[in-house]
Amino acid sequence: AQTVTQSQPEMSVQEAETVTLSCTYDTSESDYYLFWYKQPPSRQMILVIRQEAYKQQNATENRFSVNFQKAAKSFSLKISDSQLGDAAMYFCAYRSGSSGDKLTFGTGTRLAVRP
Amino acid sequence: GAVVSQHPSWVICKSGTSVKIECRSLDFQATTMFWYRQFPKQSLMLMATSNEGSKATYEQGVEKDKFLINHASLTLSTLTVTSAHPEDSSFYICSARDTREQPQHFGDGTRLSIL
Repeated sequence: AQTVTQSQPEMSVQEAETVTLSCTYDTSESDYYLFWYKQPPSRQMILVIRQEAYKQQNATENRFSVNFQKAAKSFSLKISDSQLGDAAMYFCAYRSGSSGDKLTFGTGTRLAVRP
Repeated sequence: GAVVSQHPSWVICKSGTSVKIECRSLDFQATTMFWYRQFPKQSLMLMATSNEGSKATYEQGVEKDKFLINHASLTLSTLTVTSAHPEDSSFYICSARDTREQPQHFGDGTRLSIL
């Protein structure tokens, strides 16, 4: 079974600075997708960024980028120019590309942004 | 685009009653919908996956007679918690996607409190 590990329960960053959230996963599959979701206090899950395993290029969405290291099974999220609105729980998630639709989530990292 | 509406956002009811939660995709066809449960300060746990017009597939340990899922149309799925008890109190979140290549889009969640 696939597992997703987020080893940082809490992180803090100064406004306008950069922060990196860690995520590692375990799988024997070669075809899969990785996601970062944000859950603010309102509790809605918001897709931040996705990465297809077959793509070597790291995904980027404005201030959000990932460092996808397939061999190391690592998928970290970098948030640049942090804003107060970035404060939230961040969940890393895995989805098989070939078997089923199930999203497997990590335990989350709570990000605080200091003004 | 890709908006998922979940209703109600918060419900309080007495033990023994049944509660229905609706999940609607507003601007896309939700071929597959997912129901998650989230306990305080924990990650999301998948309860079941439903495809339009088919019976839902429940995760191990989830009572299908307790949590009834109906996905009768491409835009609507419902979760009914039957004979709810205090231990069913939780945050329930639905998500939906069109094709397998598309990511899951989440509703705002429903906070269920059973007295």
